[in-house]
Amino acid sequence: DAGITQSPRYKITETGRQVTLMCHQTWSHSYMFWYRQDLGHGLRLIYYSAAADITDKGEVPDGYVVSRSKTENFPLTLESATRSQTSVYFCASGGIPSYEQYFGPGTRLTVT
Amino acid sequence: GENVEQHPSTLSVQEGDSAVIKCTYSDSASNYFPWYKQELGKRPQLIIDIRSNVGEKKDQRIAVTLNKTAKHFSLHITETQPEDSAVYFCAARGYTNAGKSTFGDGTTLTVKP
Repeated sequence: DAGITQSPRYKITETGRQVTLMCHQTWSHSYMFWYRQDLGHGLRLIYYSAAADITDKGEVPDGYVVSRSKTENFPLTLESATRSQTSVYFCASGGIPSYEQYFGPGTRLTVT
Repeated sequence: GENVEQHPSTLSVQEGDSAVIKCTYSDSASNYFPWYKQELGKRPQLIIDIRSNVGEKKDQRIAVTLNKTAKHFSLHITETQPEDSAVYFCAARGYTNAGKSTFGDGTTLTVKP
């Protein structure tokens, strides 16, 4: 959906570098989420946010940092990228807990 | 925390046949169960969902059933078509966990023409 975008769509970086993945939604959804998807696995939650300035850890938060100063943006930062963080990253947003989550197009990150 | 198991991991059917994918969950507080379809290289998209106050829901060729006592729910696709070929994910979520969903590992469905 055009309402949630991610950038960049593809990124190659080196081990040890910092990289930030951007997520932007235009629906003013309260909830935003970051997932990673590895081959053979489902979606694993990295971090989520219930509102601006409110964030919390998900299932696999180590090595990642998030912030949410504005409702529409939820950037994910890899402070010192490792090869194990090579993955496809999906951002999602939702209106209230019980409603559908809308996924962004994904960012394919390769750490060499 | 919640644990969701999904079976089978791969499923191959002939066009026109039915396909069934099953999921079990562990947290009795979970009360929302969406199913997502993900085509190769694309984002997951919701195809059907069910809430805990309903036992079954249908949308054309797709149906989902929920057994809260046994903590399992299933996706049923009838009259399968080649365009149904994709990876399907189940998920479970509860009101008490801030909207966080726990996903199954996915089922790769192949519909042979």
